[in-house]
Amino acid sequence: DVKVTQSSRYLVKRTGEKVFLECVQDMDHENMFWYRQDPGLGLRLIYFSYDVKMKEKGDIPEGYSVSREKKERFSLILESASTNQTSMYLCASKEHRGHQPQHFGDGTRLSIL
Amino acid sequence: ILNVEQSPQSLHVQEGDSTNFTCSFPSSNFYALHWYRWETAKSPEALFVMTLNGDEKKKGRISATLNTKEGYSYLYIKGSQPEDSATYLCALRGSSNTGKLIFGQGTTLQVKP
Repeated sequence: DVKVTQSSRYLVKRTGEKVFLECVQDMDHENMFWYRQDPGLGLRLIYFSYDVKMKEKGDIPEGYSVSREKKERFSLILESASTNQTSMYLCASKEHRGHQPQHFGDGTRLSIL
Repeated sequence: ILNVEQSPQSLHVQEGDSTNFTCSFPSSNFYALHWYRWETAKSPEALFVMTLNGDEKKKGRISATLNTKEGYSYLYIKGSQPEDSATYLCALRGSSNTGKLIFGQGTTLQVKP
């Protein structure tokens, strides 16, 4: 089974801090994704990566950056955390070829005070 | 940005009832449709990936149909059980290159014993 591991289940940070959310997958998947989930809005794509050192903006990239230095790891960075970034963050990975589903981590519930 | 709509937003049924919900998407930009189940405190789990018009997929008591010409998919649950309580997400894949998905807002199902 594919395992997608997010570094923290719950995280509390302060406004203005630089925040790192880490995601590791163990299935050698090429594609990795970061989403946030807010009530009534569904999952919204922040950034995705289809290979090492490759990244593309999703629908809501403002205030975020990402890093993919190794194939198994995809990091989401909040450059200067703000209260409107309080949310549930989900990481996912997917094999590049074919009609494969995305495999998700358990999520990180981030609160910015 | 492509728009994926799910209805209803929430649903309460009695144990043993059968139920169904809808996912609507723009038929002009279709590559695949995904269904996921997201239980509280767990990660979203893939149910189906559907690609062909007229596709019908089944997993136990859950089945899904797809109409790409009119742009909708139905998810059916036969004889709902309390363990079916979850948020059901559909997602449209409109590009064949990166696996990027556009998610609907989800339908939250509560099954009462």
